[in-house]
Amino acid sequence: AQSVTQLGSHVSVSEGALVLLRCNYSSSVPPYLFWYVQYPNQGLQLLLKYTSAATLVKGINGFEAEFKKSETSFHLTKPSAHMSDAAEYFCAVSYSGGYQKVTFGTGTKLQVIP
Amino acid sequence: DAGVTQSPTHLIKTRGQQVTLRCSPKSGHDTVSWYQQALGQGPQFIFQYYEEEERQRGNFPDRFSGHQFPNYSSELNVNALLLGDSALYLCASSWDREYGGELFFGEGSRLTVL
Repeated sequence: AQSVTQLGSHVSVSEGALVLLRCNYSSSVPPYLFWYVQYPNQGLQLLLKYTSAATLVKGINGFEAEFKKSETSFHLTKPSAHMSDAAEYFCAVSYSGGYQKVTFGTGTKLQVIP
Repeated sequence: DAGVTQSPTHLIKTRGQQVTLRCSPKSGHDTVSWYQQALGQGPQFIFQYYEEEERQRGNFPDRFSGHQFPNYSSELNVNALLLGDSALYLCASSWDREYGGELFFGEGSRLTVL
């Protein structure tokens, strides 16, 4: 079974500071990995995805994530936080034989302090 | 191009009642997945419909059932509602042929059970 673990349910950063949200995955087969963002009272929107092409994945709004097989990690980063980045972020996993069933982590709520 | 639309956006039911939630997928998508998101939690996979059949199911009781219509739209039915069924119900659509593809989410139906 596939699963993801997000370390830290709440993360606070100052505006302009580095954003680092942690995600570790567990999968018995090569995974597809995703980061989604959810703004209050809205659905989820894809930030970026890893599908075995490049290990460093660039997404929307300046976010990127690096797939590290040796560490089973897929951490999300952004060099400089903006107030508009305040939201909840979900790491997720699926795999090629899984008919696109996507399993989500418990989420990390990002607070950006002015 | 309309994205994923869900209805109703909010509803209140009492214990023991039944509810039907509706979802229209993004144009061109043929697969619909339903997720339950309790307050402060990540989305939990309920089931997925493809070609009008339930293809995968998560760890949810039989009180949760669904349907997919020939136009790919879908319904989620929950019988004998419990207080614990209070949650945001998210519909996500995708294209079956695209492994590792993006799930497109609606804004959800928020169900409150009193």
